[in-house]
Amino acid sequence: RKEVEQDPGPFNVPEGATVAFNCTYSNSASQSFFWYRQDCRKEPKLLMSVYSSGNEDGRFTAQLNRASQYISLLIRDSKLSDSATYLCVVNAGNYGQNFVFGPGTRLSVLP
Amino acid sequence: DVKVTQSSRYLVKRTGEKVFLECVQDMDHENMFWYRQDPGLGLRLIYFSYDVKMKEKGDIPEGYSVSREKKERFSLILESASTNQTSMYLCASSSILANTNTEAFFGQGTRLTVV
Repeated sequence: RKEVEQDPGPFNVPEGATVAFNCTYSNSASQSFFWYRQDCRKEPKLLMSVYSSGNEDGRFTAQLNRASQYISLLIRDSKLSDSATYLCVVNAGNYGQNFVFGPGTRLSVLP
Repeated sequence: DVKVTQSSRYLVKRTGEKVFLECVQDMDHENMFWYRQDPGLGLRLIYFSYDVKMKEKGDIPEGYSVSREKKERFSLILESASTNQTSMYLCASSSILANTNTEAFFGQGTRLTVV
């Protein structure tokens, strides 16, 4: 079983749609959780950290369920510029040194 | 603005050449990482370093070595480049601060082609 698993995708959605990505992780000692965005042929960039209480940043909402070892990302009112690959990332290291990346889910927002 | 800078965006090398990929960060981060990213395989950790002169093997260290002589610089060395090392190489850094969500910051990537 892979350490971090994500919806295989790709997701093709119309502009304005709401889309949800799911992620599960296997290491119960994981302490930090993130969603990264990666554009084609570019480096990954932090979209948002994920906190136990859930957090929202504009159109983006992230949730964490430690008991189920499950992370989600919800994008509301999708824009063409949201088209990218979304990476679920967990970190189990005590000193921030053990990042594990999911395979990513590709999103295409269509006009 | 925080920065991780890789020395080259694109590199073409011949089989058997020794290749150096350089990475510099200006955030005084303790941790530095080298990953490679291939289609369908995601990001795979090659090596990481948590302090000057300290290094740990990642998931796929074979054929690679690293050097960290200064805190801000982490070099990846391909001792004898082979065609199966054609890939996108990504350097990253992070802090060791406890009790915070310490993210990884990435360089822009080096697309290496070995011919």
